Amino acid sequence: EDQVTQSPEALRLQEGESSSLNCSYTVSGLRGLFWYRQDPGKGPEFLFTLYSAGEEKEKERLKATLTKKESFLHITAPKPEDSATYLCAVIGGSNYKLTFGKGTLLTVNP
Amino acid sequence: NAGVTQTPKFQVLKTGQSMTLQCAQDMNHNSMYWYRQDPGMGLRLIYYSASEGTTDKGEVPNGYNVSRLNKREFSLRLESAAPSQTSVYFCASSQTDSNQPQHFGDGTRLSIL
Repeated sequence: EDQVTQSPEALRLQEGESSSLNCSYTVSGLRGLFWYRQDPGKGPEFLFTLYSAGEEKEKERLKATLTKKESFLHITAPKPEDSATYLCAVIGGSNYKLTFGKGTLLTVNP
Repeated sequence: NAGVTQTPKFQVLKTGQSMTLQCAQDMNHNSMYWYRQDPGMGLRLIYYSASEGTTDKGEVPNGYNVSRLNKREFSLRLESAAPSQTSVYFCASSQTDSNQPQHFGDGTRLSIL
């Protein structure tokens, strides 16, 4: 069974204070790892897909990296508008179903 | 560009009532999904449709039925609502079900009294 564990559950940062969110996964044959952002009252918004260890993707202040066991979402000089819940999900080779972690609630204070 | 549209946005039901949640996508995607999101549980897959004409059970299918009406539309039906089905329901779609990202609607918030 595919499993995804995200840490920390919640993270509070000051504006400009860089940090990283972790996503550890157990999957049989990774087909893809996905990062989403979810704002209150909204659906998850797709950010990145990573397919193989060593791959990196960037978008504005966000950078996602992937190893064989985990992924990191690095946030550089965050702004209050980056406050959201960040979700990690994987698709494994044994099925075609997306397995989500429980998310990290990020709060960036001005 | 609407993406994935869900209706209604909010609904309150009494135990035993039935209702259908509607979902439509305009991205010409082949695969569609229904999830529920509960505090502390994360997103859990209820049913999915890999392509038009096919449906399959996900992690938590009991108490639900689905219909893939056409390529654009995928509905979720609660035949006899129970308080345990109080949740936020999300519909999603993707180009294929293999390794493409899923795109989500903004959800239906359902309360069952």
